[in-house]
Amino acid sequence: DTEVTQTPKHLVMGMTNKKSLKCEQHMGHRAMYWYKQKAKKPPELMFVYSYEKLSINESVPSRFSPECPNSSLLNLHLHALQPEDSALYLCASSQAPAGYYNEQFFGPGTRLTVL
Amino acid sequence: RKEVEQDPGPFNVPEGATVAFNCTYSNSASQSFFWYRQDCRKEPKLLMSVYSSGNEDGRFTAQLNRASQYISLLIRDSKLSDSATYLCVVNAGSGNTGKLIFGQGTTLQVKP
Repeated sequence: DTEVTQTPKHLVMGMTNKKSLKCEQHMGHRAMYWYKQKAKKPPELMFVYSYEKLSINESVPSRFSPECPNSSLLNLHLHALQPEDSALYLCASSQAPAGYYNEQFFGPGTRLTVL
Repeated sequence: RKEVEQDPGPFNVPEGATVAFNCTYSNSASQSFFWYRQDCRKEPKLLMSVYSSGNEDGRFTAQLNRASQYISLLIRDSKLSDSATYLCVVNAGSGNTGKLIFGQGTTLQVKP
């Protein structure tokens, strides 16, 4: 089962709201990722968690706060976002970041609109 | 120079045609190569990994030329359902951090 699930599918929030995006996988993968994708652009990496520890932060603003409660779950906490943060937020997982051909499997994404 | 470059297209082809996409990458230390497919407003889905010896999966053939830092994808007997954006993806050099670099994508439209 190569499935990564994400909730919610859609989210509309104001600039003063606090919300969270959730991601779950049950494939035993030990690496999980958050990406941001704008229309007609490729996904941009935001964060990498490896064995539940944050290993890469691509200079993401602090209004985005990732959390990995356990090896199956990944959250992205949102606070004081800007309208330009509106995008598709994708979660992905892979067996582990190390090793060759560590294919990443993506969830369906959360489409976020910031008003 | 972009780290991964693709011709954005669009490629408009009739059903049954053969179409080839090319991709170049700049980091000679990259070790893992993939083609992903992305339908409009959907997530990227792994189409195939690309191995040094080249590999085939049904109508799809991928090739890698490390010397030229070049990857290709060939689709034979195109179907309407092949219409999508194809993303060339390369890992970000040595260290196996899990970081992938995506090309801008090549759009394919297969017409009846």
